[in-house]
Amino acid sequence: QLQLQESGPGLVKPSETLSLTCTVSDGSISSTSYYWGWIRQPPGKGLEWIGNIYYSGSTYYNPSLKSRVTISIDTSKNQFSLKVRSVTAPDTAVYYCARLAVAGGDFDYWGQGTLVTVSS
Amino acid sequence: QTVVTQEPSISVSPGGTVTLTCGLSSGSVSTSNYPSWYQQTPGQAPRTLIYNTNTRSSGVPDRFSGSILGNKAALTITGAQGDDESDYYCVLYVGSGLWVFGGGTKLTVL
Repeated sequence: QLQLQESGPGLVKPSETLSLTCTVSDGSISSTSYYWGWIRQPPGKGLEWIGNIYYSGSTYYNPSLKSRVTISIDTSKNQFSLKVRSVTAPDTAVYYCARLAVAGGDFDYWGQGTLVTVSS
Repeated sequence: QTVVTQEPSISVSPGGTVTLTCGLSSGSVSTSNYPSWYQQTPGQAPRTLIYNTNTRSSGVPDRFSGSILGNKAALTITGAQGDDESDYYCVLYVGSGLWVFGGGTKLTVL
């Protein structure tokens, strides 16, 4: 059974960079059938798509975050990563990594999520 | 900026039928938007109910169904049960590799 696990600091200071990694187990991140994505959810609010990456390194970003976000992939480690620069309090959220099927557009596997708080 | 709209909250009686909708600020939703629906309970990651408009995810009861109704995507729950009380999110493909989630619908079963 495929598993995704987010890791990274739970507390980031304002104006600094939020960095998270998603480790994929029991499945290959190099599959041509899937994208790998990041989604976040501020406390008590809805889901927001941040962006996706393909095994080839092609990336797609939410236009509202594009200027501050970078998603990268390391196929040798079966991991992909998220960086959000110049964070402020509204970036406080549970961050999820997920797999997106190319065919049909199903975010079919999710990590458990990790809470990142932006505070000094 | 494309906005995906959902009812903020809906109530249904146990055993009743309810339809949640998912609209697009820029126009009509079609199968080309690959609408999918997710159920989320507090403290948990979302889980897929429906993808590609009307394909039920593995293990999802057949009381959940997806469709296009008019100019919106729709999730219908037939014979609602108490444990269907959750938050429901739709997500749409809006082109150029971009996806947009709706604001979510809080479903109450009472």
